[in-house]
Amino acid sequence: GAVVSQHPSRVICKSGTSVKIECRSLDFQATTMFWYRQFPKQSLMLMATSNEGSKATYEQGVEKDKFLINHASLTLSTLTVTSAHPEDSSFYICSANLKVRQTGRLYNEQFFGPGTRLTVL
Amino acid sequence: QKEVEQNSGPLSVPEGAIASLNCTYSDRGSQSFFWYRQYSGKSPELIMFIYSNGDKEDGRFTAQLNKASQYVSLLIRDSQPSDSATYLCAGYTGRRALTFGSGTRLQVQP
Repeated sequence: GAVVSQHPSRVICKSGTSVKIECRSLDFQATTMFWYRQFPKQSLMLMATSNEGSKATYEQGVEKDKFLINHASLTLSTLTVTSAHPEDSSFYICSANLKVRQTGRLYNEQFFGPGTRLTVL
Repeated sequence: QKEVEQNSGPLSVPEGAIASLNCTYSDRGSQSFFWYRQYSGKSPELIMFIYSNGDKEDGRFTAQLNKASQYVSLLIRDSQPSDSATYLCAGYTGRRALTFGSGTRLQVQP
């Protein structure tokens, strides 16, 4: 299957600093990538849809000025958590869509990155 | 009503038994559904997806979809301790991103 990488895998930072997380599709081009956040013992919650060459689409309740998303190329999307605070500590996971063909039909399949564990002190 | 619902569990089964995981969805327009397995601290990994009514088998896993009842299930035959994880059901509910259920924690007892 397709491979999506994330960097860094783990980051610890002080409150008030900004943290950038990279998401790359390694062997395919992705016009659309997604950013999820997962708190302990909870499911994945979609934060935003990252669109190559245009503005990201944020889910309700997600502050676009706090979580800056840039999708400057077909293989790279970045999420910057600005002025991070302890409540932003979470597991951030990106994914990318790829159309796959099965029994003659095209379907969207999402491939997930390995995730980034952010801890804000 | 949540768009994709799962019983949080935990579901405990003995080794070698069949584990049955269930999921319901609210959007009748949803076309395809996915089952992911997630180990603690790791990203979800795709087990299989299903888009047609009926059963789809892949090794020890069988996914079942009933669009009339808006119900998706995953059966794991010959459960192994290594199958112990959280299983996430997901579907496309009118958006390009997947909508996830809250996940069911499975424990396979040796």
